[in-house]
Amino acid sequence: KNQVEQSPQSLIILEGKNCTLQCNYTVSPFSNLRWYKQDTGRGPVSLTIMTFSENTKSNGRYTATLDADTKQSSLHITASQLSDSASYICVVSDRGSTLGRLYFGRGTQLTVWP
Amino acid sequence: EADIYQTPRYLVIGTGKKITLECSQTMGHDKMYWYQQDPGMELHLIHYSYGVNSTEKGDLSSESTVSRIRTEHFPLTLESARPSHTSQYLCASSESGTSGVKQYFGPGTRLTVT
Repeated sequence: KNQVEQSPQSLIILEGKNCTLQCNYTVSPFSNLRWYKQDTGRGPVSLTIMTFSENTKSNGRYTATLDADTKQSSLHITASQLSDSASYICVVSDRGSTLGRLYFGRGTQLTVWP
Repeated sequence: EADIYQTPRYLVIGTGKKITLECSQTMGHDKMYWYQQDPGMELHLIHYSYGVNSTEKGDLSSESTVSRIRTEHFPLTLESARPSHTSQYLCASSESGTSGVKQYFGPGTRLTVT
């Protein structure tokens, strides 16, 4: 069964600190992995996309890594800001269907305190 | 910011009422999706559409129905709402293509059935 597991479930950090969120998946055949940010009461917004051949990709203070061999990804947030408080969702896409089916993790709820 | 809209944002109704959740996008995307999301849980696909007059059921069984008469419009209807339908409903759209196409999400409708 294709699954996406994220850890930790929730995380509280102080403003200015760094943090790393983890994502493990079993989706096969793998196409790509996206990290989404979902603010409370809003829809998810894509932060980065990682394909099979990519190891690292940055988007401002967000850096995603992918190890396709171990089927693990991480999202590192540098110098956190209060606006980073949100749920971060790992989403994996397979290559097995024309729909490009997405498999969603449950998200990591990040809270940044002043 | 994605050009995809959902109304209403919040809805509280009594059991047995018929409701329609509206979703529209101005990006000309062929593919549209409805997801259901409970707090702390992953998104579950309940309906999707490849284009006008094309609708399919998703992974999660749902008593709701959808229609796609126009490219930009993908409403979801519940004929008789029940408390078990209480959830957040997210609409999304994407360009045509197979795996890995980016999905753009609307802000969601928070439905409460009393």
